[in-house]
Amino acid sequence: AQSVTQLGSHVSVSEGALVLLRCNYSSSVPPYLFWYVQYPNQGLQLLLKYTSAATLVKGINGFEAEFKKSETSFHLTKPSAHMSDAAEYFCAVDHTGTASKLTFGTGTRLQVTL
Amino acid sequence: DSGVTQTPKHLITATGQRVTLRCSPRSGDLSVYWYQQSLDQGLQFLIQYYNGEERAKGNILERFSAQQFPDLHSELNLSSLELGDSALYFCASSVQGSGTEAFFGQGTRLTVV
Repeated sequence: AQSVTQLGSHVSVSEGALVLLRCNYSSSVPPYLFWYVQYPNQGLQLLLKYTSAATLVKGINGFEAEFKKSETSFHLTKPSAHMSDAAEYFCAVDHTGTASKLTFGTGTRLQVTL
Repeated sequence: DSGVTQTPKHLITATGQRVTLRCSPRSGDLSVYWYQQSLDQGLQFLIQYYNGEERAKGNILERFSAQQFPDLHSELNLSSLELGDSALYFCASSVQGSGTEAFFGQGTRLTVV
């Protein structure tokens, strides 16, 4: 069975500060890992994905994530938060690599303050 | 705009009723996925169709069914609705393949009263 755990349902950062959203995965086979963002009243948008190529993955809007097998982690970071980053972020795992049966974490709501 | 279209955007219906949610995938995408997002269950995979055939099944209730038509659009049918079925239902589509991205629609918000 595969799963992801997102630590912290709410994270608040100041504008310009580092964003760090945590995700740990559990998978019996090499996983494909994804980060999605959901803006209010919107669908899910893919930020980035890890598919066993480079362990440091760069995504859209300045986000990146590093796959660490030893820590079973795939944390999402952004050096400098912007007000427009306020949204809910979901980590997801899928062992098939075909984007089917994504197993999502519970989500982390990011608040950005002035 | 992801290119995935879901209708209707909002739906309010009474318990015991049946509703149909519709999804048009991105042009060229053969796979369609349905997900349910609720406050208590979070985001859950329901079912996947690929080129008209059921490919994978998740936590989909027996009261729910789906199909994908020859033009690749998909419908999710929810029957004998209960209050707990109130949720946001997402459709996503992708090109079948390794490491492919699923593009999500904006969802249909179902409220059962």
